[in-house]
Amino acid sequence: AQSVTQLDSHVSVSEGTPVLLRCNYSSSYSPSLFWYVQHPNKGLQLLLKYTSAATLVKGINGFEAEFKKSETSFHLTKPSAHMSDAAEYFCVVSRQAGTALIFGKGTTLSVSS
Amino acid sequence: GAVVSQHPSWVICKSGTSVKIECRSLDFQATTMFWYRQFPKQSLMLMATSNEGSKATYEQGVEKDKFLINHASLTLSTLTVTSAHPEDSSFYICSAPGLAEETQYFGPGTRLLVL
Repeated sequence: AQSVTQLDSHVSVSEGTPVLLRCNYSSSYSPSLFWYVQHPNKGLQLLLKYTSAATLVKGINGFEAEFKKSETSFHLTKPSAHMSDAAEYFCVVSRQAGTALIFGKGTTLSVSS
Repeated sequence: GAVVSQHPSWVICKSGTSVKIECRSLDFQATTMFWYRQFPKQSLMLMATSNEGSKATYEQGVEKDKFLINHASLTLSTLTVTSAHPEDSSFYICSAPGLAEETQYFGPGTRLLVL
């Protein structure tokens, strides 16, 4: 069975500093992995996805994630945080194409000026 | 891009009443839709898979008689919370798979408050 574990429930950074949100996955086969962001009172937005192509995935708003099979990790990074990045971030794994997604517990990112 | 809408976005109801939430794919067809529930400060939990033309598939622990799902057409799935109670208060989100590989489109969610 697939699952994801987000290692930090809350991450606080200063504006302009790097962001690292950690995610480990468990899967019996090569998974599809995603990062979604949820801003307060708004819908989920896909940041990026990994589907067995390049292991370094670039997403929107300057975010990127690297799939590391040896470490079963899919950490989300951004070189320089912006105030607008403050939101809830979910690491997500797919059972298989076209099926429901399995969400991690989420990481709240706070950005201070 | 593809859009999924939900209606209503907010609903407040009295305990014991039923509430219907609609999920529509606006510019694409979806033979399958997914319903999630998100409690405050928690993650999304899959409740059920809605299948056009057949019965929904419910996740373990979800009462199918309480959460009625009807996939009426290729663009509409409805979730009815029957005899709602305060513990059903939550944020309900639907999604539909798109044509592109591993693409899912999420609705904006419906916030339900049962008094």
